Amino acid sequence: IAGITQAPTSQILAAGRRMTLRCTQDMRHNAMYWYRQDLGLGLRLIHYSNTAGTTGKGEVPDGYSVSRANTDDFPLTLASAVPSQTSVYFCASSEGDSDTQYFGPGTRLTVL
Amino acid sequence: GQNIDQPTEMTATEGAIVQINCTYQTSGFNGLFWYQQHAGEAPTFLSYNVLDGLEEKGRFSSFLSRSKGYSYLLLKELQMKDSASYLCAVRDSDYKLSFGAGTTVTVRA
Repeated sequence: IAGITQAPTSQILAAGRRMTLRCTQDMRHNAMYWYRQDLGLGLRLIHYSNTAGTTGKGEVPDGYSVSRANTDDFPLTLASAVPSQTSVYFCASSEGDSDTQYFGPGTRLTVL
Repeated sequence: GQNIDQPTEMTATEGAIVQINCTYQTSGFNGLFWYQQHAGEAPTFLSYNVLDGLEEKGRFSSFLSRSKGYSYLLLKELQMKDSASYLCAVRDSDYKLSFGAGTTVTVRA
C-alpha cells in the first residue's frame, strides 16, 4: 500500500506557465487537502475536498484550482504560475473530515 | 481564524527531555494535533488531544489545557533521530487545521 503519492517530486517552472500537481491516495479516504509550506509560515491550506465531487477554499486559494472527479485523485492546478507560488506543496487525506490527516511526500515547486 | 505560537528552535542533549510549548487563540476549537517533520520529508502524525489532560505514547506525551489555549509536546529520552521540526496544529469547528510555524529541535550528542 503506497498511501499518498505526489508527482512530480520537484519542478522548475517559468512564470506564466500552467502546471498541475498530482495527488493520488489508495486508502479510500473521503477527504483530501492541499497545503503549501513556506519558511516561517508553516503549512497553509489552499483547497480541500470533503468527498468526491465537492471542493472548498482554504486560507490561500487565489491562483489555484482543484477538482475531485473520484475518491483517489485530487489534482492542484496553477493556471498561470507566479514567483510567489514557489513553495513546497503537500497533499493530505483523512478518512473523514473529522479524522487525522496523513500527508504525501510533497512537491517542491520553483517558479522563475 | 487561528493564531498559533510555538518557539522557533530548541536544542537539547541526547537522553534529555525537551518540552515544546504551543499557545493558540481560536474562534472555534475542535482538537489539537502534533506532527513531526524531518527535513525534506512529509509531516507525520504524533498525537491528538481534544480533552484537557495528558496523552502518553511511549517517549512522547502531549498535554492540553483548553481554558488556557495551551498545549505542550514532551519528548523524553531524546535520541538523535528526534532531530526534526514539530508542528502544532489546531482544528476548528469546520474541521480545518491551522498550523504553527513549527519548532526545530536539534539533539546533540
